[in-house]
Amino acid sequence: GAVVSQHPSWVICKSGTSVKIECRSLDFQATTMFWYRQFPKQSLMLMATSNEGSKATYEQGVEKDKFLINHASLTLSTLTVTSAHPEDSSFYICSAIGGNEQYFGPGTRLTVT
Amino acid sequence: KQEVTQIPAALSVPEGENLVLNCSFTDSAIYNLQWFRQDPGKGLTSLLLIQSSQREQTSGRLNASLDKSSGRSTLYIAASQPGDSATYLCAVQHGGSQGNLIFGKGTKLSVKP
Repeated sequence: GAVVSQHPSWVICKSGTSVKIECRSLDFQATTMFWYRQFPKQSLMLMATSNEGSKATYEQGVEKDKFLINHASLTLSTLTVTSAHPEDSSFYICSAIGGNEQYFGPGTRLTVT
Repeated sequence: KQEVTQIPAALSVPEGENLVLNCSFTDSAIYNLQWFRQDPGKGLTSLLLIQSSQREQTSGRLNASLDKSSGRSTLYIAASQPGDSATYLCAVQHGGSQGNLIFGKGTKLSVKP
């Protein structure tokens, strides 16, 4: 099946710094990718929809200036958490649409100290 | 606004037992429904996908049913094994094949040897 990778798989950063997470579709092209966030013992919540070549669409309550999304190619979307704070610590998962199915990456664990 | 609810939140059973996980959703206008498995600190593994026109899907010891009109789905696991221990997530998709998924909070299953 189709494979989606994420890098890094986990990252620890200091408060106030920025962190970039990459989401790649390895064997297919994806015009649409989604970014989800999962807090401990909570479900996945959609943060934003990333469309290649255009601006991302953010869900209500998600700050677009804090969570920068760039979908510059059909196989890569990046999420940059700017000026990270401890409350941004979470599990970030991306997914990519391939054909009529949605494929999920393995997730990135972000811890902000 | 679509809401997905999973009951129970946690379940502990002895090995070999058959079990049922429940999922309900408030908006029946879904494109499909999907069951995932998530191991601690890991990404998602897709188990079964049921299109809105289908009633059930089977894979090995797993059987998922869908009653779209009543907004319910069940995941049946036969002859449970300790390796089945994980969190099981139910998710519905709207807006066709390009839409995002809306997740329930999951059922944490523990199968004791």
